[in-house]
Amino acid sequence: RKEVEQDPGPFNVPEGATVAFNCTYSNSASQSFFWYRQDCRKEPKLLMSVYSSGNEDGRFTAQLNRASQYISLLIRDSKLSDSATYLCVVNRDDKIIFGKGTRLHILP
Amino acid sequence: DAGVIQSPRHEVTEMGQEVTLRCKPISGHDYLFWYRQTMMRGLELLIYFNNNVPIDDSGMPEDRFSAKMPNASFSTLKIQPSEPRDSAVYFCASSLIGQPYEQYFGPGTRLTVT
Repeated sequence: RKEVEQDPGPFNVPEGATVAFNCTYSNSASQSFFWYRQDCRKEPKLLMSVYSSGNEDGRFTAQLNRASQYISLLIRDSKLSDSATYLCVVNRDDKIIFGKGTRLHILP
Repeated sequence: DAGVIQSPRHEVTEMGQEVTLRCKPISGHDYLFWYRQTMMRGLELLIYFNNNVPIDDSGMPEDRFSAKMPNASFSTLKIQPSEPRDSAVYFCASSLIGQPYEQYFGPGTRLTVT
């Protein structure tokens, strides 16, 4: 089992809709969590850190469920510009592990 | 402010040749990371430095790969000899002490080994 797993998608979502996807991690000792965004043929960019209490940044909400060992990302009122690959990142013992990403396509 | 700078942006070379990738981190950042990204394997951490010292090189695939950071503003990743399976996008990233996992990535070097 991979340490960090994501549904590769693609998720095809109409503009304005709400979309959510999860990322599961296998090691309960994982310490910190992040979402990065990567546009096609571009570098990854930090979208948001994921805090234990959950956190929100505008239309984006990230949640952590330690009991079930997953993090989630919710995007409300999706925009065309949200189309990208979303990478889940987990830190454990000074190791950083990236998921392979979930592709999101926002449809006009 | 300049972000992470990588050169070259594209490199095409023949199998067996030496390849050197270069990275200039964001000024003041303490951590520097080298990653490789392929469709099959996703984004993989190769090695990272803290204050110019290599901390974890367990991701370096084999002895053909080496990385150096002679000073705070420059790092290289060298592949010698290169092989077709090394074809990938290589990213460099940097971050601040206290926030090592909030990384800023460079634009990447797309390497093709024929």
